[in-house]
Amino acid sequence: QKEVEQDPGPLSVPEGAIVSLNCTYSNSAFQYFMWYRQYSRKGPELLMYTYSSGNKEDGRFTAQVDKSSKYISLFIRDSQPSDSATYLCAMIGTSGSRLTFGEGTQLTVNP
Amino acid sequence: EAQVTQNPRYLITVTGKKLTVTCSQNMNHEYMSWYRQDPGLGLRQIYYSMNVEVTDKGDVPEGYKVSRKEKRNFPLILESPSPNQTSLYFCASSFGYQPQHFGDGTRLSIL
Repeated sequence: QKEVEQDPGPLSVPEGAIVSLNCTYSNSAFQYFMWYRQYSRKGPELLMYTYSSGNKEDGRFTAQVDKSSKYISLFIRDSQPSDSATYLCAMIGTSGSRLTFGEGTQLTVNP
Repeated sequence: EAQVTQNPRYLITVTGKKLTVTCSQNMNHEYMSWYRQDPGLGLRQIYYSMNVEVTDKGDVPEGYKVSRKEKRNFPLILESPSPNQTSLYFCASSFGYQPQHFGDGTRLSIL
């Protein structure tokens, strides 16, 4: 069983829709949670970073963490065609170095 | 501009011919790491380095070597490449537990 589970999609939505992306994890040592966005032929770029349960908002993006359920989510409001990319969840424990990624969800926002 | 630079971006080579992929960062980060990205498997860590002369294995280190002689550089060495090392490779760097900055990737094809 993978430590981090993420539905690979693909997910296709119309422009303006609210998008919900999710990951579950099994390792309770994970304490820091990230969402990366990866465009085709580019490296992952950080979107959101949080270390506590609850919500964190940044513009159209909201990251949600529920440590008791070992579940994290990324919500995208008013989705745009430029949001079309692969979204990767990632997490790391307090012992440091090992960043563990989900498989990534491929999102397409249609004009 | 803060960046992680990988070279080459694309390489086609043959089994057994030693190759090196270079990685350089200009952010004075202590932590650097290498990942490979494969369909259905996501990003997996190969090796990481907490600082100069300090390296350790990640999840999939077999067939790879690294060295960290300078803080800014972290080359990935394939001594005797094999076809199962055909993949998309990413270098990343960060300050400690902070989210990592990724390069734009190196696509290796080993025939």
